[in-house]
Amino acid sequence: GNSVTQMEGPVTLSEEAFLTINCTYTATGYPSLFWYVQYPGEGLQLLLKATKADDKGSNKGFEATYRKETTSFHLEKGSVQVSDSAVYFCALRNTGFQKLVFGTGTRLLVSP
Amino acid sequence: EPEVTQTPSHQVTQMGQEVILRCVPISNHLYFYWYRQILGQKVEFLVSFYNNEISEKSEIFDDQFSVERPDGSNFTLKIRSTKLEDSAMYFCASNQRGSETQYFGPGTRLLVL
Repeated sequence: GNSVTQMEGPVTLSEEAFLTINCTYTATGYPSLFWYVQYPGEGLQLLLKATKADDKGSNKGFEATYRKETTSFHLEKGSVQVSDSAVYFCALRNTGFQKLVFGTGTRLLVSP
Repeated sequence: EPEVTQTPSHQVTQMGQEVILRCVPISNHLYFYWYRQILGQKVEFLVSFYNNEISEKSEIFDDQFSVERPDGSNFTLKIRSTKLEDSAMYFCASNQRGSETQYFGPGTRLLVL
């Protein structure tokens, strides 16, 4: 079946630190991969996506590269800000399906 | 910017009662979804809806659940007889045809006592 595994949180960083949130997936086909972010009190927002192997998604300084060989889609940012504090969800959508399959989410806390 | 809205933001109900959760998807979107997240667990897919019918549903979406698009704007999730384990955050989402990006609402937190 299809599944997504994310690293446990919370991840606590100081401002300007480097961020990595690990995400690996299992899928029977050729999925598209996503990172969604949820700020306090808000819904899930698409942060970035990649639709095929070796694609790199990027947005707001965040990046993730679709690695088929390691079935991974790790989220990175070179210098986090306090405003990046949120819950980050990795997700996949497999070919032929509309539904998203989510990981458990990783809470990021950035302190000044 | 257009957004998905959901009402109510919080709902408390007694076990066995019926609840209806409401969503207004983005106006030109054609695909609609419900997901839920039990506290501390994954966001789980419940159902997708297109062209006035269910296009996909999960094992969670049993006979206690139903969805409806009663008019041109609302999309509802009904739980006929709530159970304690239905307590969760319920998210509505929508997307355009040809787009993979699903836009999510802020969620309705349902508490069943």
